[in-house]
Amino acid sequence: EVQLVESGGGLVQPGGSLRLSCAASGFTFRSNWMSWVRQAPGKGLEWVANIKQDGSEKYYVDSVKGRFTISRDNAKSSLFLQMNSLRAEDTAVYFCASGYCSGNNCYAGLWYWGQGTLVTVSS
Amino acid sequence: SYELTQPPSVSVSPGQTARIPCSGDALPKKYAYWYQQKSGQAPVLVIYEDNKRPSGIPQKFSGSSSGTMATLTISGAQVEDEGDYYCYSTDSGGYHWVFGGGTKLTVL
Repeated sequence: EVQLVESGGGLVQPGGSLRLSCAASGFTFRSNWMSWVRQAPGKGLEWVANIKQDGSEKYYVDSVKGRFTISRDNAKSSLFLQMNSLRAEDTAVYFCASGYCSGNNCYAGLWYWGQGTLVTVSS
Repeated sequence: SYELTQPPSVSVSPGQTARIPCSGDALPKKYAYWYQQKSGQAPVLVIYEDNKRPSGIPQKFSGSSSGTMATLTISGAQVEDEGDYYCYSTDSGGYHWVFGGGTKLTVL
């Protein structure tokens, strides 16, 4: 069974930092693109960042460029999001999500999701 | 920045067909994906690559795409299909993804 379990959320002051983690199991982590998606309270989904299988390519939504860094550790099947210079508008549930591979075919999109971790930026 | 546009809400009676559109300039060349999200839960992929259903998704869910419009169709919608539906795709460059604003489906 595929499992993605996020951790590291919490309350942080504006300007502060937080590091989110996502522990993956039940699939070949190193074969898949991985992504972070967030959802502000009562709002829609927002793609935040993604990272290629070997970590060589990373992409970000404009609003977090230069402040957030996505990374992965394939040996530990783990995904990370380092968030610096946090702002009130970064308050959201952050979801970890994965692509999907079957045999030699890998598919884009977000196939498996964690349950999310809440980040609250407030003084 | 690239945008996908969805109507905020769609309402149908039980047993009717619900259609949720999503428009975006890059959709003629980029696949659309569709997600269902029920209150307090993580999203679930219901359609990938415009019109394919993942394993375990009921046949009542179908997708299509023509020009700059992708459409999610839910045939014979029931109360249990209520929730928020999001389209998802990339910009023309292929690496920056975006969600539509979401459509709240009400079946009553």
